[in-house]
Amino acid sequence: GDSVTQMEGPVTLSEEAFLTINCTYTATGYPSLFWYVQYPGEGLQLLLKATKADDKGSNKGFEATYRKETTSFHLEKGSVQVSDSAVYFCALGTQGGSEKLVFGKGTKLTVNP
Amino acid sequence: DVKVTQSSRYLVKRTGEKVFLECVQDMDHENMFWYRQDPGLGLRLIYFSYDVKMKEKGDIPEGYSVSREKKERFSLILESASTNQTSMYLCASRNSFKGEQYFGPGTRLTVT
Repeated sequence: GDSVTQMEGPVTLSEEAFLTINCTYTATGYPSLFWYVQYPGEGLQLLLKATKADDKGSNKGFEATYRKETTSFHLEKGSVQVSDSAVYFCALGTQGGSEKLVFGKGTKLTVNP
Repeated sequence: DVKVTQSSRYLVKRTGEKVFLECVQDMDHENMFWYRQDPGLGLRLIYFSYDVKMKEKGDIPEGYSVSREKKERFSLILESASTNQTSMYLCASRNSFKGEQYFGPGTRLTVT
């Protein structure tokens, strides 16, 4: 079945460091790919998405490119801030009329000043 | 902006009680979802509904039921709460023509 594997955390970085969180997927067909972010005490918010191969999603300085050849959707940011501390979830959207999401287990990021 | 609200942020119930978790969305979305979130396990789908009065089991439906009598409201029911249902419960909704889901703030349920 469909699945998502993302790098284990926690990840601890200093402010202005470069961030990469790896995400790979297994799916039949051509899923949509998403990154969600969960700040402490809150629900999930959509960070960015890509709906087809070679699409690049971007938002708030974060980027991820849908790589079909490597079945990957790695999240990157050039310079992280303390306010980026959160849990990040990679997800794929299964195909069909009521598209379900399959989530990775989440990666907790802590950014220190 | 889409708004998804959940009836309680924190809830404490006793083993054996019947528990209702309510979710309301204000964007006329067809699809609604209930997940539970546990450390190390990520989010797991309990039930979803693709339209009013329609429901389908997700990956972990045992011990839960749902109700969708109106388009904007999706209820999760624990018929007889048990301690292993202590968790964070997240509701989400989605327009059937767009991919992303919109999440509520979550209900942290503790069963003692």
